[in-house]
Amino acid sequence: GENVEQHPSTLSVQEGDSAVIKCTYSDSASNYFPWYKQELGKRPQLIIDIRSNVGEKKDQRIAVTLNKTAKHFSLHITETQPEDSAVYFCAASKDIGGFKTIFGAGTRLFVKA
Amino acid sequence: NAGVTQTPKFRVLKTGQSMTLLCAQDMNHEYMYWYRQDPGMGLRLIHYSVGEGTTAKGEVPDGYNVSRLKKQNFLLGLESAAPSQTSVYFCASRDLYRGIGEQYFGPGTRLTVT
Repeated sequence: GENVEQHPSTLSVQEGDSAVIKCTYSDSASNYFPWYKQELGKRPQLIIDIRSNVGEKKDQRIAVTLNKTAKHFSLHITETQPEDSAVYFCAASKDIGGFKTIFGAGTRLFVKA
Repeated sequence: NAGVTQTPKFRVLKTGQSMTLLCAQDMNHEYMYWYRQDPGMGLRLIHYSVGEGTTAKGEVPDGYNVSRLKKQNFLLGLESAAPSQTSVYFCASRDLYRGIGEQYFGPGTRLTVT
């Protein structure tokens, strides 16, 4: 069935360094790729998304890249800050069949001050 | 706007008991979803609805039932709770008419089945 794999499961970086989280998806019909941030005890919240007709998107310190041929997409956080510490989920969705979204298992990011 | 709300926030059930989780949204969204979140497994779709009066199965529907009698409400029922249903449950909604895009999540319900 449809699957999204996410790596690494845990990532620890020094404040100011960059963090990269990678995902692969199995359904070639997927055309929307959101990233959610979830702080401890809180709900997931969208931080950035990318559609299949775009290869890269940037929003301040956050960027996402998409390689549709390889079915890979990645989240890049630059100049990390302690408040970036959270669990990040990638996901893949398509605009048919109820817009169902398949989530990766999550990456727990620790930013050390 | 309150966005997406869920009741209750916490619940402890004994094996075999039943309960209903309520999700409400005030954004006039067509699509609504129920997910469960377990450690190391991300969010898994239980059931979803593409409009009032419709429901469909997701990835892990067994042991759950849902109803969407009103557009703004999506109910998740557990008829006979099992310890394997201990989890955090999130409801989400999405606006059909803006095309594929962001899901808005509720605050979650933490359910423990003993």
